[in-house]
Amino acid sequence: DAGVIQSPRHEVTEMGQEVTLRCKPISGHNSLFWYRQTMMRGLELLIYFNNNVPIDDSGMPEDRFSAKMPNASFSTLKIQPSEPRDSAVYFCASSITVYSGRLKSNYGYTFGSGTRLTVV
Amino acid sequence: KQEVTQIPAALSVPEGENLVLNCSFTDSAIYNLQWFRQDPGKGLTSLLLIQSSQREQTSGRLNASLDKSSGRSTLYIAASQPGDSATYLCAVLSGGSYIPTFGRGTSLIVHP
Repeated sequence: DAGVIQSPRHEVTEMGQEVTLRCKPISGHNSLFWYRQTMMRGLELLIYFNNNVPIDDSGMPEDRFSAKMPNASFSTLKIQPSEPRDSAVYFCASSITVYSGRLKSNYGYTFGSGTRLTVV
Repeated sequence: KQEVTQIPAALSVPEGENLVLNCSFTDSAIYNLQWFRQDPGKGLTSLLLIQSSQREQTSGRLNASLDKSSGRSTLYIAASQPGDSATYLCAVLSGGSYIPTFGRGTSLIVHP
């Protein structure tokens, strides 16, 4: 398996522009996470999908951020309009997590290589 | 709410030393704990996953232990090498949650 695939690896954009980050999870994984990492704040969870449904988006900073998962093999994180403070590394991670009223099984998380976003 | 602490935040050791990295968590009702390595400018690479029913996991020179009652996991690195230099993070998945809680990591430098 090629692992979790993110694109682009680097993105430099001007303030006010729309930015779209992409993620392809590992085939068969049913949970997908978007994280943001900065030196100041460390690793922050933005949104979590389970079986393509957003379960927890409480970490999304504001309405400028949106995420979609139209199918099990693709997710996007969009920032519109972008601001310099959005500059960070954005990671996507996937896992197999099974619930049945409560957590039944989880086999760990696999991260992508990240997208380094610079907003100037 | 689960809190995960990794101490020390940074560590510098000479090559060849055996060393221990610590991960503490406040809620002992965990489902599993995972150790990651992150090289500068790179993503997180999974090293070891310990399920709550296990006491330890080993991979090569790495050994991770789990003591739920004391809320602690340790990552033991034997015969450290300069190539081990990286940031090591632990992630705890609580039994009542679906989102892992990450520590801030320990930045390790192994100098020749």
